[in-house]
Amino acid sequence: EIVLTQSPSTLSLSPGETATLSCRASQSVRSYLGWYQQKPGQAPKLLIYDASNRATGIPARFSGSGSGTDFTLTISSLEPEDFAVYYCQQRINWPPITFGQGTRLEIK
Amino acid sequence: QVQLQEAGPGLVKPSETLSLTCTVSGGSMSSYYWSWIRQSPGKGLEWIGYMYYSGSTSHNPSLKTRVTISVDTSKNQFSLNLSSVTAADTAVYYCASWNTAMVPYYFDSWGQGIQVTVSS
Repeated sequence: EIVLTQSPSTLSLSPGETATLSCRASQSVRSYLGWYQQKPGQAPKLLIYDASNRATGIPARFSGSGSGTDFTLTISSLEPEDFAVYYCQQRINWPPITFGQGTRLEIK
Repeated sequence: QVQLQEAGPGLVKPSETLSLTCTVSGGSMSSYYWSWIRQSPGKGLEWIGYMYYSGSTSHNPSLKTRVTISVDTSKNQFSLNLSSVTAADTAVYYCASWNTAMVPYYFDSWGQGIQVTVSS
């Protein structure tokens, strides 16, 4: 089973700043990594698939990069609605499909 | 994207079977892979398994012997049965899906989630 480790666990920033979130895989997942956003009381929402492709309707301020074992989600010019929990997920080695433990992005 | 809605009991007794149903609207049952995912404070997001209408299926090895996922195309529903539950199975359960025309194994449609508590 591939373990995904996200860092930091909590990130405190102000609106307008840039957020950089990390996801590290226990073995290579090539580019088969996605990112989700989850707000309180809601289901996760797909943001990025295959490392760098934005899902339908996702604003351009969300971007993903990386390959192999190290991945980054960058959110530029943070909007108030961007403060949420973010999860990474791999799809190369399954079962099982696995998720990271999440990074909480909070308002400073 | 399809719309998904979970239904089922919010409280299940230990050793019994947890049964949930997900009703699908806005899409064909043959155009998606149907999945269950759960979320608990202790274990985060945990993929349970998926099923395609043709019968193709896969489950999380950690749950495999206790999980049954089925699809009923006539009712536009798919279901989860999890047997011999314990307190560790307490979680919010989500039904989710991906379109066969899209990149597989990323979940672009989710239900709102249903809290299931295992307790006597």
